[in-house]
Amino acid sequence: GAGVSQSPSNKVTEKGKDVELRCDPISGHTALYWYRQSLGQGLEFLIYFQGNSAPDKSGLPSDRFSAERTGGSVSTLTIQRTQQEDSAVYLCASSGQGDIQYFGAGTRLSVL
Amino acid sequence: QKEVEQDPGPLSVPEGAIVSLNCTYSNSAFQYFMWYRQYSRKGPELLMYTYSSGNKEDGRFTAQVDKSSKYISLFIRDSQPSDSATYLCAMSESGYNKLIFGAGTRLAVHP
Repeated sequence: GAGVSQSPSNKVTEKGKDVELRCDPISGHTALYWYRQSLGQGLEFLIYFQGNSAPDKSGLPSDRFSAERTGGSVSTLTIQRTQQEDSAVYLCASSGQGDIQYFGAGTRLSVL
Repeated sequence: QKEVEQDPGPLSVPEGAIVSLNCTYSNSAFQYFMWYRQYSRKGPELLMYTYSSGNKEDGRFTAQVDKSSKYISLFIRDSQPSDSATYLCAMSESGYNKLIFGAGTRLAVHP
C-alpha cells in the first residue's frame, strides 16, 4: 500500500477485556516495529520484527502483551486483560532496504 | 535520567522566526539521528535523517549533530503557521534497530 495502515483507528474497551491491534506495513518492507505513545512516557519501543521473527521484544511491558507477524507482512499486537494504564496510542512503523522508519497514524486505545 | 532529553516546551514564535530545537543524549553508541514532525492525532512524519556527526540541510530545515557533545539540533528558517506541530528527536545505535525518542517539543507559530 501507499503507507503504513493501522486498524482500528480508535478502540474503547472495558478493563479486563482482550484487544487486538492490526498493522499493515508498506508493501515489501521487511522490518516492522510497534511503539506506544502515552502522555507521561512519550514514545516507547515495544517490539521489532524482521520478517516473521522478533529479534527484539525488550520493550513489551508485561506478559499481557504479545505480537505476531505472518507472511512477512501484517502484524497483530494483542493486549490481554487490559488495564487502564494500557490506554495510549499504539503506533506501528515499517522500514525497507534503508533504515528509515515510516509510521502509521496509530490506534488510540482507551481502557475504561 | 532518560537516554534522550528534550524540552517539551511549548515554544511559541511569530511567523518568519528562526526556530531552534534541541536534544541531548547519553548513549555514545547512537549513530543515526532523526527528527520527526507529528501533527495532532497523526503519526510521526520523518523530516530529517543524519548519520553520525555533521550538518544536513533540506529547504527551510537544517539538522546538526555534534557527537562529541552528544547534542543534536533542528533549525527551522522562515517558520510558518503550518510548522505548528510536535517535533520529536529520535536516535538509534544502528540500522534496523529500535528508535529512542525524546519527549517531543510542541511548537506553535502564530501569524
